Amino acid sequence: QVQLVQSGSELKKPGASVKVSCKASGYTFTTYAINWVRQAPGQGLEWIGWINTHTGIPTYAPGFTGRFVLSLDTSVSTAYLQISSLETEDTAVYSCARDQSRKALDYWGQGTLVTVSS
Amino acid sequence: QSALTQPASVSGSPGQSIAISCTGTSSDIGSYNYVSWYQQHPGKAPKLMIYDVTNRPSGVSNRFSGSKSGNRASLTISGLQAEDEADYYCSSFTTNTTLVFGTGTRVTVL
Repeated sequence: QVQLVQSGSELKKPGASVKVSCKASGYTFTTYAINWVRQAPGQGLEWIGWINTHTGIPTYAPGFTGRFVLSLDTSVSTAYLQISSLETEDTAVYSCARDQSRKALDYWGQGTLVTVSS
Repeated sequence: QSALTQPASVSGSPGQSIAISCTGTSSDIGSYNYVSWYQQHPGKAPKLMIYDVTNRPSGVSNRFSGSKSGNRASLTISGLQAEDEADYYCSSFTTNTTLVFGTGTRVTVL
């Protein structure tokens, strides 16, 4: 069955970096794009961007350019989200999701809580 | 890009029908039939309920239906049940080839 399994919670200090992983199984990884979504505590869903798993080319939402980097390692069917120069406002659950087509996200990872605090 | 606009909350009694609106612009909802709806229970991952405006993924109850007119989409839940109490989010593909989510709606079953 299709599964997206993410890495565990992270506690970071402001200014540090974090890399969240999303390992896919149960399907051919390069067939479907991977999207990343952020949800701050008590807030709604925010789309960070997506990465074409066939070409490795990422696309970012406005407001998520510069400090946010999407990447892949297709040899282990894993997508990554790296955030640099972390700010307290980056505290949120970060989730990966498979794009079945036309940005319909049919399978989601369990989410990774990133806490930024001094 | 601005988030799509949804009502903060909608409520209904068991068995009733409710509708959740999702208002966008000509750059998103108005340009494509690529509107999706997600259900999220507290502490859980979102679940795809509707895609391409009207389509239900396998396993999703036919009590959930979607529609669109112009720059506005809607999700209707008929025969409201206690298990439908959750947050609901719409999303749309945009002319900038990005995705935008709605502000979210809390559904309460009275």
